[in-house]
Amino acid sequence: DVKVTQSSRYLVKRTGEKVFLECVQDMDHENMFWYRQDPGLGLRLIYFSYDVKMKEKGDIPEGYSVSREKKERFSLILESASTNQTSMYLCASSYRTLKDTGELFFGEGSRLTVL
Amino acid sequence: GESVGLHLPTLSVQEGDNSIINCAYSNSASDYFIWYKQESGKGPQFIIDIRSNMDKRQGQRVTVLLNKTVKHLSLQIAATQPGDSAVYFCAEKPAGSARQLTFGSGTQLTVLP
Repeated sequence: DVKVTQSSRYLVKRTGEKVFLECVQDMDHENMFWYRQDPGLGLRLIYFSYDVKMKEKGDIPEGYSVSREKKERFSLILESASTNQTSMYLCASSYRTLKDTGELFFGEGSRLTVL
Repeated sequence: GESVGLHLPTLSVQEGDNSIINCAYSNSASDYFIWYKQESGKGPQFIIDIRSNMDKRQGQRVTVLLNKTVKHLSLQIAATQPGDSAVYFCAEKPAGSARQLTFGSGTQLTVLP
């Protein structure tokens, strides 16, 4: 079975702190994604990556950056956390090419609270 | 100040009844659609998909219907069980899009005993 593992299920940070959210997948997937999930807003794409060292902005990239140094690992970085970044963050991966979405496999989420 | 959150559409059904969850999608150029199920405390899981050249697809106890004329997608769950209680999301992929899937806001399904 495909496994997407997010390093932290729950985090509490203070405004202005730097936050790292880590995601690892074990199926040699090319594509990896970071979404945030807020009540009533569904999942909104922050960034995605279709290859090592490649990244593309999603719909809401402001305040975030990402890093993909290895194929299996995709990190989301909040350079200076703000309270409006309190949310559930979901990592996903897929094995299809960019033009053919295929199924996304999600991690269990990281719930971040910024005080 | 008080914050006002958006509320998910909800659907309550009796155990054993059929459930129909609806989704209106936004882009007439979308060529691929997926339904996901998200149980409490977990990430979304794939249920079933359908391409735009089809209008119906069946899985195990689930059926997805696509009406491109009115840009409407539905998920039918037969003989709904307590384990079906979850939030259900539809997602669409615009043809040629490099941004992968766009998700709807979700519907909370509650199965009553």
